[in-house]
Amino acid sequence: AQSVTQPDIHITVSEGASLELRCNYSYGATPYLFWYVQSPGQGLQLLLKYFSGDTLVQGIKGFEAEFKRSQSSFNLRKPSVHWSDAAEYFCAVGYTNAGKSTFGDGTTLTVKP
Amino acid sequence: NAGVMQNPRHLVRRRGQEARLRCSPMKGHSHVYWYRQLPEEGLKFMVYLQKENIIDESGMPKERFSAEFPKEGPSILRIQQVVRGDSAAYFCASSDNSQETQYFGPGTRLLVL
Repeated sequence: AQSVTQPDIHITVSEGASLELRCNYSYGATPYLFWYVQSPGQGLQLLLKYFSGDTLVQGIKGFEAEFKRSQSSFNLRKPSVHWSDAAEYFCAVGYTNAGKSTFGDGTTLTVKP
Repeated sequence: NAGVMQNPRHLVRRRGQEARLRCSPMKGHSHVYWYRQLPEEGLKFMVYLQKENIIDESGMPKERFSAEFPKEGPSILRIQQVVRGDSAAYFCASSDNSQETQYFGPGTRLLVL
């Protein structure tokens, strides 16, 4: 069974500092990988996704993520965090043509002024 | 192109009542997924439907929960005889036939008193 682990429950960074959110997955085949962001009381917004090809993917809002098969990781990064980035971030893995996605438990990001 | 729509956004029920949650997928999408998010947790897959068919209901509780996606109209998640433990945010997502990316609605927040 596939699983997703986000080791960091809560991360605090200063505005302008760099950010890396970790995501590790367990899956037997080539995964589809996603990062979503959720603001309080809101739905999930897709930040970026990886299916195949270039292992460094660019997303919206200045985010990027790198797929590392050897480490089963898909970490999310941003060079300079803005106060509006404070939210909860979810990593997810999906099957090929099989419907459901499996989500990590999320990482809450707090941005200090 | 309107996104995934869910209604109601908030629903309050007393124990023992029924809850009906509605989801209208994005235009052109025929695949619908329901997820539940308990407080302080990630999203957990419940059910995956195509028009008039349940494809995967491996995440659905065995009792009181049902889902449908009729030929016409929205997908419905129905919870009978609600209990306090059903209080959660319920998210619907939809995808096109490629099933590569799921787009999420804003969620329905169910509170059982």
